[in-house]
Amino acid sequence: GENVEQHPSTLSVQEGDSAVIKCTYSDSASNYFPWYKQELGKGPQLIIDIRSNVGEKKDQRIAVTLNKTAKHFSLHITETQPEDSAVYFCAASTSGTYKYIFGTGTRLKVLA
Amino acid sequence: NAGVTQTPKFQVLKTGQSMTLQCAQDMNHNSMYWYRQDPGMGLRLIYYSASEGTTDKGEVPNGYNVSRLNKREFSLRLESAAPSQTSVYFCASKVSALSSYNEQFFGPGTRLTVL
Repeated sequence: GENVEQHPSTLSVQEGDSAVIKCTYSDSASNYFPWYKQELGKGPQLIIDIRSNVGEKKDQRIAVTLNKTAKHFSLHITETQPEDSAVYFCAASTSGTYKYIFGTGTRLKVLA
Repeated sequence: NAGVTQTPKFQVLKTGQSMTLQCAQDMNHNSMYWYRQDPGMGLRLIYYSASEGTTDKGEVPNGYNVSRLNKREFSLRLESAAPSQTSVYFCASKVSALSSYNEQFFGPGTRLTVL
């Protein structure tokens, strides 16, 4: 069945360094790829998303890249700060379906 | 504008007990979802409601029932709770079920423990 693989499961970086989280999807029909941030005790919140007709999107310190040929997409966080510490989930979705297929999550720790 | 609200926040049940998790959204969204979150497994869809009056099964529907009470409210019922249903449950809503490009908004979650 369709799935989304996410790596790494945990990631520790020093404050100010960059963090990269990678996801690979299996359904070639997927055309929308959101990233969610989940802080402790809260629900996931959308931080950035990308559509399949775009290769890269940036929003301040956060960027997402998409390689449709390889069926993978990545989240890049630059100049990390302690408040970036959270669990990050990628997802893949296809127009005309209800499905969001989520990755298994990455716990990011930013060390001060 | 509270977004998506869920009650209760925490619940402990004994095996075989029943309960209903409540979810409401005030964003006039058409579609609503119930997910469960387990360690190392991400978010898995239990049931969804594309619009008021319709409900459909997701990936892991066994042991659950749902009711779309009106456009605002979508409840999840466990008829006979089992320890395997210990999880964190999230409700979410979206403007439209079939349009991929709409953000899903999540509630704060219900942490359920079944003993």
